[in-house]
Amino acid sequence: EAQVTQNPRYLITVTGKKLTVTCSQNMNHEYMSWYRQDPGLGLRQIYYSMNVEVTDKGDVPEGYKVSRKEKRNFPLILESPSPNQTSLYFCASSFPTGENTGELFFGEGSRLTVL
Amino acid sequence: DAKTTQPPSMDCAEGRAANLPCNHSTISGNEYVYWYRQIHSQGPQYIIHGLKNNETNEMASLIITEDRKSSTLILPHATLRDTAVYYCIVRMLSTQGGSEKLVFGKGTKLTVNP
Repeated sequence: EAQVTQNPRYLITVTGKKLTVTCSQNMNHEYMSWYRQDPGLGLRQIYYSMNVEVTDKGDVPEGYKVSRKEKRNFPLILESPSPNQTSLYFCASSFPTGENTGELFFGEGSRLTVL
Repeated sequence: DAKTTQPPSMDCAEGRAANLPCNHSTISGNEYVYWYRQIHSQGPQYIIHGLKNNETNEMASLIITEDRKSSTLILPHATLRDTAVYYCIVRMLSTQGGSEKLVFGKGTKLTVNP
């Protein structure tokens, strides 16, 4: 089954304790991206990756890191989480537009709480 | 800033057509219009997309104005399960290169009433 898998789905952590949210897709998509969603602010892009070893900042990259060492994985790293990073996070992937529909496939979300 | 503008909320009666507008006045010639919806806090789901022609699939129809500065998503017979937040975004044709920085904005909260 084609899917984007995020882990963990729920996490409560404390300020300053490094954490990684993993994202894996099984559709051989080149494009992957991370979003955060906060009440009243909609979906905001954190980072995206056009392909392996190619990443770039979205609208709200501060406090986050990413890596794309393999095509299927795109982990989101919070080196020193702070309470303002409490949010619902989504990972998404797609083929490039043009040759394909460019439809984004989203994961189920990871709800992160930083105390 | 969001490249699209949508009304924050809309209501629709069950069984009637829901017409959701989106303004994308700064769209460039190589950018597609995509629509997604999000039910509760689930991951957004793709609905439809188009470049300049009107499009229809099993879920909805997409009407793009001739100047491409706005579009309308049409759910022909809305049901209670169509209650969701609908996002309109623009996305560049990847073969043209350039940024894949996508801006979703806040979307339109559609409420379908019985």
